[in-house]
Amino acid sequence: DSGVTQTPKHLITATGQRVTLRCSPRSGDLSVYWYQQSLDQGLQFLIQYYNGEERAKGNILERFSAQQFPDLHSELNLSSLELGDSALYFCASSPSRERGEQYFGPGTRLTVT
Amino acid sequence: QKEVEQDPGPLSVPEGAIVSLNCTYSNSAFQYFMWYRQYSRKGPELLMYTYSSGNKEDGRFTAQVDKSSKYISLFIRDSQPSDSATYLCAMSEDGQAGTALIFGKGTTLSVSS
Repeated sequence: DSGVTQTPKHLITATGQRVTLRCSPRSGDLSVYWYQQSLDQGLQFLIQYYNGEERAKGNILERFSAQQFPDLHSELNLSSLELGDSALYFCASSPSRERGEQYFGPGTRLTVT
Repeated sequence: QKEVEQDPGPLSVPEGAIVSLNCTYSNSAFQYFMWYRQYSRKGPELLMYTYSSGNKEDGRFTAQVDKSSKYISLFIRDSQPSDSATYLCAMSEDGQAGTALIFGKGTTLSVSS
């Protein structure tokens, strides 16, 4: 158990809908990252937050947004969902803003029908 | 050319064998190198973390980084059936602009008893 928690474990929704994925980092970790894992693309970085501020952005679609709250939990919002958004979404946290060492949560499996 | 290349396998070995897993990369700015183990549909688990070049040993696992060749390796000694999983290499740059991990596609390992 990495100490990173994610809810829900599974989500099944229809195209065009909006969902929110939630992540709680390890105790004391200020950095939170979101990744998407699909069969063809592998693990892809979406976005990083550090202590409430956006720190780095990857190939995150404009339909996706995220935020980190004062209690350091983070939410990833996915809207206007398409079939191609079906994937595993992982949250990771790190004890450092700069170092690469990251600990992953169990993931949320999103299925868009 | 992809930033990180990793042979997807599958790699099948008998119990007790020494396993060698490798990744090559093209970005000379990578400073942090990690190996993750991922069981099917689970979150990646951090196995080894290395900064810059050199070797690091932890139990049955040894990680090597050769920055001059842009090549990293993970060795697993006395492999066990429980080592059967997908192994992902990951790396990141110095953290001034964030620390997104860039992953290889993963190598699937099967250890038979």
